[in-house]
Amino acid sequence: QQPVQSPQAVILREGEDAVINCSSSKALYSVHWYRQKHGEAPVFLMILLKGGEQMRHEKISASFNEKKQQSSLYLTASQLSYSGTYFCGTGRGGGGSQGNLIFGKGTKLSVKP
Amino acid sequence: GAGVSQSPRYKVAKRGQDVALRCDPISGHVSLFWYQQALGQGPEFLTYFQNEAQLDKSGLPSDRFFAERPEGSVSTLKIQRTQQEDSAVYLCASSPRRGVGSPLHFGNGTRLTVT
Repeated sequence: QQPVQSPQAVILREGEDAVINCSSSKALYSVHWYRQKHGEAPVFLMILLKGGEQMRHEKISASFNEKKQQSSLYLTASQLSYSGTYFCGTGRGGGGSQGNLIFGKGTKLSVKP
Repeated sequence: GAGVSQSPRYKVAKRGQDVALRCDPISGHVSLFWYQQALGQGPEFLTYFQNEAQLDKSGLPSDRFFAERPEGSVSTLKIQRTQQEDSAVYLCASSPRRGVGSPLHFGNGTRLTVT
């Protein structure tokens, strides 16, 4: 039930692009993306809902392929501040007993000057 | 404060002791989640509340773990007879709506070390 993220780690030079993937074996209602820096709490980046549109926040965007039960996070022209571990979280329901969010193991992104 | 507040920030317990971890969610948030995060791993789901109702506790690792949210706001995660494998960061998150249709706001966590 835990979503699978790939790659596990990636090293970029400032200004390069990266794609992080998240896939699930279960039908999804929503996919969340969070970034966590060392010793800090995860911070929300964006959410994609079933039937919704591709989301974008500055130079970070994400897509959600409901049929394939996959989501991808696209980081364009990476900045040093993008370094951290990225987690996708998948949810199967909007509420009730399926209201929980299950996280993947994370993708560690390091951006070098 | 505007964010999710957790206390204590750090807790050291001797093996066999009971501990209680507190979470103050953002005021008015309906959903509350507890996660356990081991070093270098992703947050592992423990339990989920919608207001005062505990709708999912499937992630609690054993009957030594117990969570409550009696008035639909503050929540406490209690671990009885702590074991070394309980050492981890315990994260609390809240969300303004039911389920997972809106962003989770995380607290800074409680780092539990069992010696």
